[in-house]
Amino acid sequence: ELKVEQNPLFLSMQEGKNYTIYCNYSTTSDRLYWYRQDPGKSLESLFVLLSNGAVKQEGRLMASLDTKARLSTLHITAAVHDLSATYFCAVDILYSGGGADGLTFGKGTHLIIQP
Amino acid sequence: DGGITQSPKYLFRKEGQNVTLSCEQNLNHDAMYWYRQDPGQGLRLIYYSQIVNDFQKGDIAEGYSVSREKKESFPLTVTSAQKNPTAFYLCATGLAGVDTQYFGPGTRLTVL
Repeated sequence: ELKVEQNPLFLSMQEGKNYTIYCNYSTTSDRLYWYRQDPGKSLESLFVLLSNGAVKQEGRLMASLDTKARLSTLHITAAVHDLSATYFCAVDILYSGGGADGLTFGKGTHLIIQP
Repeated sequence: DGGITQSPKYLFRKEGQNVTLSCEQNLNHDAMYWYRQDPGQGLRLIYYSQIVNDFQKGDIAEGYSVSREKKESFPLTVTSAQKNPTAFYLCATGLAGVDTQYFGPGTRLTVL
């Protein structure tokens, strides 16, 4: 059974600081996804990581994937209040591409960025 | 205006009732999914369908049923056999070769 663990589950940080969210998964996979969810809203796709060593950046967020360590990180640089949200990582269940057989999600990291 | 629509946005159910949640898409995506989200939790897969007239159980299919008669539509029925149905239900679509899933706005179901 594929398990996906995120840590921390809750993070309160100040604007301007840097921090990293970690996502570990239990079974070999080279496809990992990061999503953002605002309170009461749906999920928004942030990054798709498709191979070992993949790194993607968008604004103050950068995601990376180490398939050998079964670890992905989401790094936040110089945080701003607008980044406050819950961040989920998800892994392909059967590695068939496009998440065709459904995704397994972590429990999410609730991020609060304070002025 | 392309996208995924879910209705209703809020739904209240009495115990013992079956209710059906709608999910429609005009993205021409082959695959459709239903996930459930409980407070403070990640999403869990209920059912998915990769082609019309075919669907598979996910991790928590008990107490739910689906149909896929049209490519655009993938309704989810929450039956009376689902003992704890209060949750946020999200429908998603996917397309082979496009490596992500796209999520609808969700339906919040509450059992009275």
